[in-house]
Amino acid sequence: AQSVAQPEDQVNVAEGNPLTVKCTYSVSGNPYLFWYVQYPNRGLQFLLKYITGDNLVKGSYGFEAEFNKSQTSFHLKKPSALVSDSALYFCAVRDSALIFGKGTTLSVSS
Amino acid sequence: NAGVTQTPKFRILKIGQSMTLQCTQDMNHNYMYWYRQDPGMGLKLIYYSVGAGITDKGEVPNGYNVSRSTTEDFPLRLELAAPSQTSVYFCASSTRGQGAGSPLHFGNGTRLTVT
Repeated sequence: AQSVAQPEDQVNVAEGNPLTVKCTYSVSGNPYLFWYVQYPNRGLQFLLKYITGDNLVKGSYGFEAEFNKSQTSFHLKKPSALVSDSALYFCAVRDSALIFGKGTTLSVSS
Repeated sequence: NAGVTQTPKFRILKIGQSMTLQCTQDMNHNYMYWYRQDPGMGLKLIYYSVGAGITDKGEVPNGYNVSRSTTEDFPLRLELAAPSQTSVYFCASSTRGQGAGSPLHFGNGTRLTVT
């Protein structure tokens, strides 16, 4: 069965510092991987996806993610964090529908 | 273009009551989904539909029913509410299935409490 794991419940960074939110995956076949963000009292919003091609994927709001096949990882990154990036982030993998990780709360302090 | 609209936003039910969570989308998406979100548990798929008249079970379908009579609407029915169904429910849609990597478009959720 396809699955993703987000090993950190919470990530704290200072504004202006780089951020990384971790995700590892377990799939049979080629992975389709996604990142979504959820702001309070809202539905999830799509950030980016990896299907094939370049291992570095660029997405919305300055986020990017690096696909690493040997480490089965798909970490979300941003070079310089903003306070407004504070939210709940979900990694997901394709199955018949999307399978989501448990989420990582990102807190960016000013 | 409203996207995915869910009603109601909040609801409190007594044990054993029934209700329907409404979901409609105006993007002409064939694929629609119902997820529930519990704290620290991520999102779990309840049911999904690949087009009008076609539905299928997800990971946690027990206690729920769905129908898809039109492309736009995908209501979720709770027949006998139980405290375990206290959750936030999200409806989503996509242009194509996840096999094509189509992003999901989510509604803002329905927060349901069963007491």
